[in-house]
Parts: sequence; C-alpha cells; structure tokens
Amino acid sequence: EVQLVESGGGLVQPGGSLRLSCAASGFTFSSYDMHWVRQATGKGLEWVSAIGTAGDTYYPGSVKGRFTISRENAKNSLYLQMNSLRAGDTAVYYCARGGNVVAFDIWGQGTMVTVSS
Amino acid sequence: EIVMTQSPATLSVSPGERATLSCRASQSVSSNLAWYQQKPGQAPRLLIYGASTRATGIPARFSGSGSGTEFTLTISSLQSEDFAVYYCQQYNNWPPTWTFGQGTKVEIK
Repeated sequence: EVQLVESGGGLVQPGGSLRLSCAASGFTFSSYDMHWVRQATGKGLEWVSAIGTAGDTYYPGSVKGRFTISRENAKNSLYLQMNSLRAGDTAVYYCARGGNVVAFDIWGQGTMVTVSS
Repeated sequence: EIVMTQSPATLSVSPGERATLSCRASQSVSSNLAWYQQKPGQAPRLLIYGASTRATGIPARFSGSGSGTEFTLTISSLQSEDFAVYYCQQYNNWPPTWTFGQGTKVEIK
C-alpha cells in the first residue's frame, strides 16, 4: 500500500524550531518529487515547500529562509526543518507526493504544529 | 504571484443534481491545474490533474474542463459522499510554485 506518515508535530514557542518527518512506503520514494502543504484550522491549503528527485528545493515567500526541506532516500524519508516559528505557522502539516509536476497524488494524514507561548 | 479565485464560496445542491464549481487564475496557467476534494478531518484527495484528467479511482461523474485562466469542475449527479470542500490548485513552472484556491464548500440543500 502506498502510504505517507508524518510525525514530529507539537507545541513550540514563538521563535522556536521544530523538525517534521514523513515516512514513505509502498513506492520508489527516490523517483518522486515531494512536498509539504499546510492548513490552518478552518482555512484553506497552502503549499509550503518542494524537493525534486535531484535535491532541488523550492519555497513560497512566506517560509523562505525559515523552513528547509530535505530528503533521505535510503530511509524513504522526507523532512521539514522549521525555524523562527511564528503564530501564523500554526497548522496541520501534510506530506504529499508529486505524482506529476502539477499535482499531489498521495497525501499523509497530517501532523499538527502549534506555535504559542 | 498567481492568485487562484474559486466561486462560489458555498454551493447548496440536492443529491442527484449537477454541481458546477469555478476556478479563475490571475494569469494563464495553461492546463497546469488540479482539483482536490477534502472531507472534515481528512487529507485532501486528488480528483483531477492537467485540468481534465481524472486521477486513479475517481468516478466518471467528476469532470474537469478549461485552460488558461478559467476552469470548471463538474459533478454530474451528486452523491451523499460528494458533500465536501473542493480546492483548485495551479502549478507555475518558473520559479516552481504551487498555489491553491480558497475552496468551495458543497453542502446539502
């Protein structure tokens, strides 16, 4: 079964750091682009970062310079290092597979990140 | 930055009726457009990519159309399991960015 399982969420103070992980199974992880997408409670979806099969990375302006996406193909794992966290970063963070260049075809169940003092 | 605008925000439809959801891009995205369905407490599910291609396992009652800046998702005959929030999403190839619309909630009339 193709599956993505996120972990690492929790409560962190403003200005703090957190590292999310995503464990992939059931497909050749190294052959796919991977993404992080977040969703604040009751709000819409926001793309957060992408990493290509060659390790190239991309970010929207809202997180650029604060978040770092990485992957470890030998462990079928995706990561998101989040620094200088703000209240506005509070959301459920989903790991998603880039099924093709346009769309995200497989999603994890999400991990909740709360930034609060 | 490309902005995606969905309309209406909420669509009230009776089971068995047709639902038409719209998505507009602030500039042309060619056919680089996808649609997702999200139910409460669940992750989004890919329905349509490339503006009109159904994803694996998606029923034929879901169809997508459009190109450039105007896109439509049509659900031909709403089933009870189709009441959910639907998001459109575009891909821009340089620099690579992916942007979602704000969503359309399809509710039971």
